[in-house]
Amino acid sequence: ELKVEQNPLFLSMQEGKNYTIYCNYSTTSDRLYWYRQDPGKSLESLFVLLSNGAVKQEGRLMASLDTKARLSTLHITAAVHDLSATYFCAVEVNTGNQFYFGTGTSLTVIP
Amino acid sequence: AAGVIQSPRHLIKEKRETATLKCYPIPRHDTVYWYQQGPGQDPQFLISFYEKMQSDKGSIPDRFSAQQFSDYHSELNMSSLELGDSALYFCASSLRTAGFTDTQYFGPGTRLTVL
Repeated sequence: ELKVEQNPLFLSMQEGKNYTIYCNYSTTSDRLYWYRQDPGKSLESLFVLLSNGAVKQEGRLMASLDTKARLSTLHITAAVHDLSATYFCAVEVNTGNQFYFGTGTSLTVIP
Repeated sequence: AAGVIQSPRHLIKEKRETATLKCYPIPRHDTVYWYQQGPGQDPQFLISFYEKMQSDKGSIPDRFSAQQFSDYHSELNMSSLELGDSALYFCASSLRTAGFTDTQYFGPGTRLTVL
């Protein structure tokens, strides 16, 4: 059974601090996606990582992918309150028309 | 830019009733996905369509069925509704380029409440 696990599930951090969210998955895949979801809202695409060693950065967020370790990270630099949301990683499997989401990390940034 | 459209946005049904959710993907996108997200849960993949053909199935109950029409819109039909079907149902669309999915664009979701 495919598992996509995120760590931590809940994260409370102060503004200005750095932290990393981890996403481990149990199947072979070269494609991993990160999404953001605000409470009661839809999912917003953040990053698309398509190969081993891929690194992408947008603002205070940086995502990387290590397909050999089956691990992706989402690093937060100098957190601000606006980053408070739930972050999901998702793995693309099989034909590419099937995605499995991680357990989600609920991030709260405290002013 | 056009986004994924879902209707209705909210739906309240009784147990054992049926429901139909509609999704209109972004124009020229060739793949549609359906997800179910329970409260505090991650989105669960239900089913996907590529070029109007069913592509993959996930944890979709036998009581549910879906199809994609010639105009690329998709419908998720849910019968014999149960209390546990109460959830947010998302539709997403994407464009496959060179054999991989660029990203999925999610609709606003349909909140289904089964009483």
